[in-house]
Amino acid sequence: NAGVMQNPRHLVRRRGQEARLRCSPMKGHSHVYWYRQLPEEGLKFMVYLQKENIIDESGMPKERFSAEFPKEGPSILRIQQVVRGDSAAYFCASSLSGTTTRETQYFGPGTRLLVL
Amino acid sequence: EDKVVQSPLSLVVHEGDTVTLNCSYEVTNFRSLLWYKQEKKAPTFLFMLTSSGIEKKSGRLSSILDKKELFSILNITATQTGDSAIYLCAVLRETSGSRLTFGEGTQLTVNP
Repeated sequence: NAGVMQNPRHLVRRRGQEARLRCSPMKGHSHVYWYRQLPEEGLKFMVYLQKENIIDESGMPKERFSAEFPKEGPSILRIQQVVRGDSAAYFCASSLSGTTTRETQYFGPGTRLLVL
Repeated sequence: EDKVVQSPLSLVVHEGDTVTLNCSYEVTNFRSLLWYKQEKKAPTFLFMLTSSGIEKKSGRLSSILDKKELFSILNITATQTGDSAIYLCAVLRETSGSRLTFGEGTQLTVNP
């Protein structure tokens, strides 16, 4: 069974460019979460999506950041007009169910974004 | 605001030592606590704890939750160099829509 897939694994952008990060959940999982890990800090929740729906985006900056999880294809985290402070590791996780105590989130390998 | 505090922040031991990692939390409507191991890439799931006092075990790793005192410990016995990693503690709320709140992690280094 393939785990959570993320690509690219490393992404370098110049200030002002756009960054697109992709996440394919584990097979059968319909719940996707994005987390950001800044250097020397813990993982911070950004957004929780189900297919075609944003359930909780309370951790996502109001400007420049958006996320989607279309009916077909991977979930996309999009950062417009990147700034140096966006440099971080972005992790995607998926779960089978969002509401059952027994379900846990399984993480992908992350995308390391570097903004020059 | 939910708070998860891990200690120590870093720990250096020798192979064969036993280590105890701590995680305390302040969470409204607590549902469960999870431990992950993060090496260079993806955090890998270790344990999910929901009930107090029930030890979960996997090989040399074990963990227990105390919901009265609001903390959990992760024990690793007979440590090996392959145990070197960041160990992350996270909590899940009943009403959070499944978002995890993480602590800063404990960086464990096991020297030969």
